[in-house]
Parts: sequence; C-alpha cells; structure tokens
Amino acid sequence: EIVLTQSPGTLSLSPGERATLSCRASQSLSSSYLAWYQQKPGQAPRLLIYGASSRATGIPDRFSGSGSGTDFTLTISRLEPEDFAVFYCHCYSSSLTFGGGTKVEMK
Amino acid sequence: EVQLVESGGGLVQPGGSLRLSCAASGFSFINYWMHWVRQAPGKGLVWVSRINSDGSSTNYADSVKGRFTISRDNAKNTLYLQMNSLRVEDTAVYYCARQGEVWGSYRYTFDYWGQGTLVTVSS
Repeated sequence: EIVLTQSPGTLSLSPGERATLSCRASQSLSSSYLAWYQQKPGQAPRLLIYGASSRATGIPDRFSGSGSGTDFTLTISRLEPEDFAVFYCHCYSSSLTFGGGTKVEMK
Repeated sequence: EVQLVESGGGLVQPGGSLRLSCAASGFSFINYWMHWVRQAPGKGLVWVSRINSDGSSTNYADSVKGRFTISRDNAKNTLYLQMNSLRVEDTAVYYCARQGEVWGSYRYTFDYWGQGTLVTVSS
C-alpha cells in the first residue's frame, strides 16, 4: 500500500506570494496516477492537476504540478484570495490513497 | 451539466445501518466507474469504495470491508452505499465521486464530486 505524506501541514502566506506544496510517496509510482485536489471550507474537493503535471479544465495557469517517482510538488505561482484552501494529493493505486493535506492559510 | 446529489445521511446508533444514495445526471452514468469517499469532521479525505461501470466489480477500504456494500442501478442513474454495523469512527461526510472516463485523460482521477451527505454514528 502506497502512503502519501504531504508537507508542510500548514502554509501561511500572503496574496501574491508563491506556494510550494510537497507530496512524498512511500514507494515509486507512475506520474499518471498522481492528482491534486483543492477543497474549500464546506465544499466538495475539486480536481486541479492530473497526471502529476496537467491542469484540469478551467484551472488557472498559476497552478502547476511537477515531480516523478516518489516526490511531487504543487506550486501556486502567485496566490489569489480565492486560492486559500486545503490541498490533497492522491494516488490511483490499489489503495487509492490520499495524502493528509496541506492547508494554505492567509497570513 | 454533470450533477451528483447524495442523500440518506443522518444520525444512527452504533451497530445500526444506513443506505446512502447518489443521483447522477448530466452524463452517461452507465459508462463511468463510481466511488465513495468520506471525510471525518476536521480530517482529510479517505477513499471508501469503488464500483465499475456495470457493477460487476467492487473494491473496499480495509476499514469498511465486510460492513459496507457499494452498488448501482444504471437504469435509475443511481449509486448506493449500504452501511451496516456502523461504528462511531464511521462518522463523516460521504461524497460520491465520478472517476474520469476510462480512456480519457482523467481516467485516474475523481473528476466530479457531489456535495456530500453527513453520517453521524452516536448513541
């Protein structure tokens, strides 16, 4: 079973700053299986990134994903007020694991 | 427009049962694998169960195996989750989620989610 560890747990940043979120897998996985989701309070998650680096339809280009093997990164180049949320990485492995999440909060 | 609407949540005592439903519209339900994902209050997302497009194959998280049953009625465009022997730790918002099209770019993702239904297990 693949375990996904996200860091940091919380990121305190100001609008306009760059956010870098990490997702580390306990074993190597295919980039095709790695996705990122955003969840705002009281809302369902929303697909942001699929295949580790491809933006889903309608996702602004300030969001980007990268990585391979066991280390993956979600970057938000310049935070907008609406970007503050919790972000989860997910692996479509046999256990369909989610990471524990990173909360991006306004400083 | 793709819509997933969950229902059936509520308060139930430990050891009790509940059946959740997820009504799908705006897409060809029969062509998609479907999932249940849950989120305990203040906690992260946890995958619960999966069913393939014709209902012939199902998978479960270890934490619910033997207690929960996923099923679907393609004629009614509806996904179900039968939950038996409920425990306090099953308390969560339960989301139904559509897996991306089998041969599409989103095939390893949950591309649409419902708004969730809250299940509270408490005496």
